[in-house]
Amino acid sequence: DAGVIQSPRHEVTEMGQEVTLRCKPISGHDYLFWYRQTMMRGLELLIYFNNNVPIDDSGMPEDRFSAKMPNASFSTLKIQPSEPRDSAVYFCACTYRGRGGYTFGSGTRLTVV
Amino acid sequence: AQSVTQLGSHVSVSEGALVLLRCNYSSSVPPYLFWYVQYPNQGLQLLLKYTSAATLVKGINGFEAEFKKSETSFHLTKPSAHMSDAAEYFCAVSDTSNTGKLIFGQGTTLQVKP
Repeated sequence: DAGVIQSPRHEVTEMGQEVTLRCKPISGHDYLFWYRQTMMRGLELLIYFNNNVPIDDSGMPEDRFSAKMPNASFSTLKIQPSEPRDSAVYFCACTYRGRGGYTFGSGTRLTVV
Repeated sequence: AQSVTQLGSHVSVSEGALVLLRCNYSSSVPPYLFWYVQYPNQGLQLLLKYTSAATLVKGINGFEAEFKKSETSFHLTKPSAHMSDAAEYFCAVSDTSNTGKLIFGQGTTLQVKP
């Protein structure tokens, strides 16, 4: 198994542009989580899905952020329009039934200039 | 609500010395507990987990943690630090509503001095 695959690894974009981050979870894992990591706020849970359905998006900072999971093997996190304060590392993680711990992707380092 | 507190945002030890990273949790039911490690520019990697079996849990890279219900603690230890252990360590507790959600501590950066 290739693990959780995130793309791109690095993204540099200009303020106001749309950014799409991608995640391919481990096959068979039924929970998928999007986290954001910054020095100031640490790890923040943005949203999570169970069986492709969004369960809790209370961590999404504002309407500029949206996430989708059209099928069990793919999820996206979109920021439109992007702002410099969105600069962070975004992680995708997945788990099976929630009790075994997460498997994290390598993250996407987003820089908005 | 569940929570995790990691005591000490930075810990510094000499190579060969004991590593002790502290984690306390709050939970109204028996928790599942985890330790993760994050090396620079990488994602988080599971070190070990406690899921209500043995209270002393052994993980990868020589780390272990002991679940102490009376102290609501799950401290991470390693008898002898190695330079390669320098990283950030996160303690986490599972959400009691069985949603699969983990609550993470703020992390502890371990520095290993030669």
